[in-house]
Amino acid sequence: EAGVAQSPRYKIIEKRQSVAFWCNPISGHATLYWYQQILGQGPKLLIQFQNNGVVDDSQLPKDRFSAERLKGVDSTLKIQPAKLEDSAVYLCASSAQGVVETQYFGPGTRLLVL
Amino acid sequence: AQSVTQLGSHVSVSEGALVLLRCNYSSSVPPYLFWYVQYPNQGLQLLLKYTTGATLVKGINGFEAEFKKSETSFHLTKPSAHMSDAAEYFCAVMRGGSNYKLTFGKGTLLTVNP
Repeated sequence: EAGVAQSPRYKIIEKRQSVAFWCNPISGHATLYWYQQILGQGPKLLIQFQNNGVVDDSQLPKDRFSAERLKGVDSTLKIQPAKLEDSAVYLCASSAQGVVETQYFGPGTRLLVL
Repeated sequence: AQSVTQLGSHVSVSEGALVLLRCNYSSSVPPYLFWYVQYPNQGLQLLLKYTTGATLVKGINGFEAEFKKSETSFHLTKPSAHMSDAAEYFCAVMRGGSNYKLTFGKGTLLTVNP
């Protein structure tokens, strides 16, 4: 079974530029998550999708971050414009639909904003 | 609100020694508890989880954890450390009814000395 795929793996941009990350979840997984992991901290949930609907985006900085999950499969997270403090690893995870299902994580995209 | 405290950001053990990584949580209701491991430049991998039932949970790679409600703890142990156990370990809590959102601790980096 293929795992969660993410691209790109690394990205370096200058502040005020825009950037987009892509995630393809495990086939059949209804729930998709985007996390931000700042160096030295645990992952923080940015947004959670159930199929193609948003379940929780309470910690997403909506003035600069946006995410979509078209057709309930893969997803894109965008930052526009980027700030220095957005430097982090962006992790995508997916889980099957159900109670307390295990979340499976992708390798992450490491973003550096200069 | 729920939170997770991992005592010790860095734990160092000798190969063959006991591994003990500490995790305490605060939650208004009994939560679901998880331990994840993260190897360098990789995503998170589930080690074990507690949902209901037996409070001693066995996971992969010889790890286990015990849910102690009276102490609000979920410490991770392994009787004998192996060099391949060197990684970062994250404790996480999920409260039912919260869209099953994971809240992570800050992580504990485990180093294993030969």
